Amino acid sequence: DVKVTQSSRYLVKRTGEKVFLECVQDMDHENMFWYRQDPGLGLRLIYFSYDVKMKEKGDIPEGYSVSREKKERFSLILESASTNQTSMYLCASSFAGSGQPQHFGDGTRLSIL
Amino acid sequence: DQQVKQNSPSLSVQEGRISILNCDYTNSMFDYFLWYKKYPAEGPTFLISISSIKDKNEDGRFTVFLNKSAKHLSLHIVPSQPGDSAVYFCAASDTYAGGTSYGKLTFGQGTILTVHP
Repeated sequence: DVKVTQSSRYLVKRTGEKVFLECVQDMDHENMFWYRQDPGLGLRLIYFSYDVKMKEKGDIPEGYSVSREKKERFSLILESASTNQTSMYLCASSFAGSGQPQHFGDGTRLSIL
Repeated sequence: DQQVKQNSPSLSVQEGRISILNCDYTNSMFDYFLWYKKYPAEGPTFLISISSIKDKNEDGRFTVFLNKSAKHLSLHIVPSQPGDSAVYFCAASDTYAGGTSYGKLTFGQGTILTVHP
């Protein structure tokens, strides 16, 4: 059974702080993804990675960066947190190739005060 | 520019009846479509998918229909059960966008399904 683990379920940080969200998968997936989910907007892709040390911008990368030093771990970094980054953050992983489903973690509810 | 749209924010159905969730898309290059279910405080769970070369895929109580000419897909749940109450997201993949095969997904806004006992 695929396991995608996000380090925190709930996180509260202050404006201007540097915030790290961690994600680990145990299925040797090539691809890893970070999304944010906001009411009425669905899931929006922030960044993804298709290999170690490789990254690609998604649809809303501004204010975020990522790091993938090992295949199983993908980190999302908020360089200087702002209140409009308060959201639910979801990590996912998948095998490469056509039609491969992404498997999601349970999410991190991040509040920026 | 919303390439995948779920125009119904919510749907309410009686237990035992059929639930039909709809999704429209604009990008004719999408080659796979997927449905996910999400309970509160959990991540989305993959339900069922369909390739663009097919028009129907069935898995137990779940059937997905694809109408390429109308750029429309739907998820049918028969019979509906109270445990099916969740948010349902449709997603689409343009596997070879930009010459790559990363398998990025574009998600709709979601539809809240409530199944009443």
